[in-house]
Amino acid sequence: KAGVTQTPRYLIKTRGQQVTLSCSPISGHRSVSWYQQTPGQGLQFLFEYFSETQRNKGNFPGRFSGRQFSNSRSEMNVSTLELGDSALYLCASRRGGENTEAFFGQGTRLTVV
Amino acid sequence: TQLLEQSPQFLSIQEGENLTVYCNSSSVFSSLQWYRQEPGEGPVLLVTVVTGGEVKKLKRLTFQFGDARKDSSLHITAAQPGDTGLYLCAGGDAGGTSYGKLTFGQGTILTVHP
Repeated sequence: KAGVTQTPRYLIKTRGQQVTLSCSPISGHRSVSWYQQTPGQGLQFLFEYFSETQRNKGNFPGRFSGRQFSNSRSEMNVSTLELGDSALYLCASRRGGENTEAFFGQGTRLTVV
Repeated sequence: TQLLEQSPQFLSIQEGENLTVYCNSSSVFSSLQWYRQEPGEGPVLLVTVVTGGEVKKLKRLTFQFGDARKDSSLHITAAQPGDTGLYLCAGGDAGGTSYGKLTFGQGTILTVHP
């Protein structure tokens, strides 16, 4: 059974640019959540998508957005990149419903220069 | 806002020693998950506990969920160098439609010296 796949693994962008990250969840899982991990703040929840609908959102500016497709794949977008957006972005796949068990991808390391 | 306080932040021990990592909160969680993360990789799920007072064992690792579902602990017996890594606890939201949101502790960096 394939795990959670995130692409790309590494990304270098310039301030002011925008970036799109992709996540393919485990087959049969309908929920995808995104997290930002930095040394200072740890893992912070960005948002969760379930059946193409955003169900929950963390405390991040509107520059961070996402979407989910009918096949449960998800993308997150960050516009007008800032140096502080440099982080490991992690996608978590969950079956859905009341089951909170989440499985993470390897992450996308974003560096903003 | 739910918070999880994880301690200690750093742990450096010799091979063969025992250790315990704690995760505490003033909030109730529907579940508590423990992850281990290697540098540059995503967290790998070790265990999920959902019932107050629940104890789960995974080889040399013992996980416990507090009776009130506000705290948890991870105990490692006879630590080995392969146990080195970042250990994270994460609480699942107790109500509504927030099941997909996990609240993470700050993590414990464990180093086991041969």
